[in-house]
Amino acid sequence: GAVVSQHPSRVICKSGTSVKIECRSLDFQATTMFWYRQFPKQSLMLMATSNEGSKATYEQGVEKDKFLINHASLTLSTLTVTSAHPEDSSFYICSARDRRNYGYTFGSGTRLTVV
Amino acid sequence: TQLLEQSPQFLSIQEGENLTVYCNSSSVFSSLQWYRQEPGEGPVLLVTVVTGGEVKKLKRLTFQFGDARKDSSLHITAAQPGDTGLYLCAGDPLNYGQNFVFGPGTRLSVLP
Repeated sequence: GAVVSQHPSRVICKSGTSVKIECRSLDFQATTMFWYRQFPKQSLMLMATSNEGSKATYEQGVEKDKFLINHASLTLSTLTVTSAHPEDSSFYICSARDRRNYGYTFGSGTRLTVV
Repeated sequence: TQLLEQSPQFLSIQEGENLTVYCNSSSVFSSLQWYRQEPGEGPVLLVTVVTGGEVKKLKRLTFQFGDARKDSSLHITAAQPGDTGLYLCAGDPLNYGQNFVFGPGTRLSVLP
């Protein structure tokens, strides 16, 4: 089945620094990937849609300058949290559409803690 | 905007009991998926239902897609502690350009 690899799984950084999270589709090509944020005991909140070779589409209320998305190839999308603050601490999850089974395959998530 | 509602939001039951989780919308979806998410991990796809009225079984889990493709249910028979997790339904809009829609989730706790 489809596999999406997300790294790192956990990261702790200091306020003001930037953190990059990678999302790779291992056995299929993903022209579109999605980035979600999840707060404790809540559902997934779509942040942005990453499109290979073009600009990402951000959901309302998500700062594009703070959450930089790059989708340079059909198998890799990255999310960079710039100038991180403690309120950016959250669980970030990426996903990609696997058209073989209609569903979306999710990465294992990244727990970001900003101190 | 297409929205999905799930009920109940929280459910705590004893091992061996049966339960049903509902996913409802006023909108029609081309397909609907159910995921289970465990703490600290990404959601894992359980099933995709595509045809109105479709019923799929996955061991002790039975999934049903409503005839009008607006709602779905997940029934678990003889729940086990390993079934504990957040169950999310997600709908694929009829409009290809629209994004996937997630429900708010049902947090299930099965006590031994």
